[in-house]
Amino acid sequence: AAGVIQSPRHLIKEKRETATLKCYPIPRHDTVYWYQQGPGQDPQFLISFYEKMQSDKGSIPDRFSAQQFSDYHSELNMSSLELGDSALYFCASSSYLDRRTDTQYFGPGTRLTVL
Amino acid sequence: SQQGEEDPQALSIQEGENATMNCSYKTSINNLQWYRQNSGRGLVHLILIRSNEREKHSGRLRVTLDTSKKSSSLLITASRAADTASYFCATDSWGKLQFGAGTQVVVTP
Repeated sequence: AAGVIQSPRHLIKEKRETATLKCYPIPRHDTVYWYQQGPGQDPQFLISFYEKMQSDKGSIPDRFSAQQFSDYHSELNMSSLELGDSALYFCASSSYLDRRTDTQYFGPGTRLTVL
Repeated sequence: SQQGEEDPQALSIQEGENATMNCSYKTSINNLQWYRQNSGRGLVHLILIRSNEREKHSGRLRVTLDTSKKSSSLLITASRAADTASYFCATDSWGKLQFGAGTQVVVTP
């Protein structure tokens, strides 16, 4: 079965650079979530989208922005990168209509390293 | 801020033993989910228990939920070396997941 795809899997950037992370949800999933997991920490919710509209917002810095496109893929744009942004960034997807499971399916993550 | 707290933070057991970890949370929830994460890798969904359920089984996994105490437990029976991973509970409050700190489980052969 198709899973959530994230690209790139690894990304190395310098301080003050920008980065774009992409997420391709499971086909027919209409909701996308972004999470950030720092080293040795639990994942923290950043932002979510349902049907291309922002549905919820968590601890996402103002330097970050995200959107969901017409094909339901999502991009997380990160500007003015700081050392503290080094983390594993997960995307998850779910289907709002599939209330049987309420399960979010996670991608493999993008490991961002800021030097 | 963290929704849930897990204990123990780390657990070391031998193959064949059972592993139990607990999770406490603070707010009302729609459901509670448990995930496994191998070192630095993706999160794998293990089991979901809804707020109106008290116990759920899936293979060697048993999850309980006590909404009056705002706590949940995950039991892994007859553990295997392949169960070595970090285990996170996550509460679902209408969409976004809030994760606990995780329990690092090491199963030695």
